[in-house]
Amino acid sequence: DVKVTQSSRYLVKRTGEKVFLECVQDMDHENMFWYRQDPGLGLRLIYFSYDVKMKEKGDIPEGYSVSREKKERFSLILESASTNQTSMYLCASSPHGGIFYGYTFGSGTRLTVV
Amino acid sequence: GENVEQHPSTLSVQEGDSAVIKCTYSDSASNYFPWYKQELGKRPQLIIDIRSNVGEKKDQRIAVTLNKTAKHFSLHITETQPEDSAVYFCAASKTGNQFYFGTGTSLTVIP
Repeated sequence: DVKVTQSSRYLVKRTGEKVFLECVQDMDHENMFWYRQDPGLGLRLIYFSYDVKMKEKGDIPEGYSVSREKKERFSLILESASTNQTSMYLCASSPHGGIFYGYTFGSGTRLTVV
Repeated sequence: GENVEQHPSTLSVQEGDSAVIKCTYSDSASNYFPWYKQELGKRPQLIIDIRSNVGEKKDQRIAVTLNKTAKHFSLHITETQPEDSAVYFCAASKTGNQFYFGTGTSLTVIP
């Protein structure tokens, strides 16, 4: 019963390419998040969204943008991929504030930029 | 913003022994502290959480303790089994919307 789906498990892109990572959730969650996961650095927040067409920068937004046109879908865009963006990218969703249920994570996309 | 520190970064224990992972947080307004387990190649999964009005919570072999005064919380796993081997992340939140994660602990249980 997969609830948060990331479109690709593994992705290899060339430097300078525009890259789209897609995330879809079927739990009617208001909040969606994009993290990148790197060894020794844990989970770092790139962008998040509390509502459709709304976005907020996280801790490391440089080189990324996002799009949330529909409640269930949150896209992460690498405008011009660079090798330092090689990482595991995790999408997560949660119900709106005040309801402490934690996140539901997607399975992750391992992106390699060559 | 919130800063969550997690120790140790790696931990090896013999099967049957206990494992303890510790986290500290900086924002005294944080009031929700979940723990996630991430097995190799899989997504992080919530395993236990605690809210600031509770000092301890237990679920079978895992327990979490919270010391609000000292701003630290810990995960305790008793009678460890090989399937407990994974990366564990602590997190803190004050809104229930956004979580700040620790850097993770890689736990290895040696049979």
